[in-house]
Amino acid sequence: EAQVTQNPRYLITVTGKKLTVTCSQNMNHEYMSWYRQDPGLGLRQIYYSMNVEVTDKGDVPEGYKVSRKEKRNFPLILESPSPNQTSLYFCASSKTGFYGYTFGSGTRLTVV
Amino acid sequence: GENVEQHPSTLSVQEGDSAVIKCTYSDSASNYFPWYKQELGKRPQLIIDIRSNVGEKKDQRIAVTLNKTAKHFSLHITETQPEDSAVYFCAANFASGGYNKLIFGAGTRLAVHP
Repeated sequence: EAQVTQNPRYLITVTGKKLTVTCSQNMNHEYMSWYRQDPGLGLRQIYYSMNVEVTDKGDVPEGYKVSRKEKRNFPLILESPSPNQTSLYFCASSKTGFYGYTFGSGTRLTVV
Repeated sequence: GENVEQHPSTLSVQEGDSAVIKCTYSDSASNYFPWYKQELGKRPQLIIDIRSNVGEKKDQRIAVTLNKTAKHFSLHITETQPEDSAVYFCAANFASGGYNKLIFGAGTRLAVHP
């Protein structure tokens, strides 16, 4: 089954403790992206990747890092999480970034 | 800058009525406009999309219209049903450094009352 898999689904952590949210797709998509969803603000792009070793900032990249060492994986790294990063995070992939976005199930992160 | 505005933020209708959600975009070069539906606790899922070479597209009870001159597009849901209750997001593509990316609107929470 074609899918985007995110882990974990839920995460509660403390301020400053580094964490990684994983994202993996099995569709051989070149384009992958991370979004955060906050009430009234929609889906805001954090980072995106056009291919292996090619990444770029989205609209809200501060406090986040990404890497794309393999085509299928695109982890989101929070080096020093803060409470304002409490949010619902979605990973998405697309063949080209133009159309056909498939979203993961989401990760609800709480930073206390 | 790259921007997609979506209205209204909330919409409440009676079952059987029609619902219309409108979006405007900032970049006249945008040429792909998808709509996503997000049910409570679930991921956004594509329900319909339109490209700039057509003005309207229909799929059963849902339709999307596009006015490229005015840079706005709309989602129309007819004969609404309670299962249409969800958050709907519009989006538009923007070219950035030779690559495309989608920018989403803030979302519309649609409630369909029996």
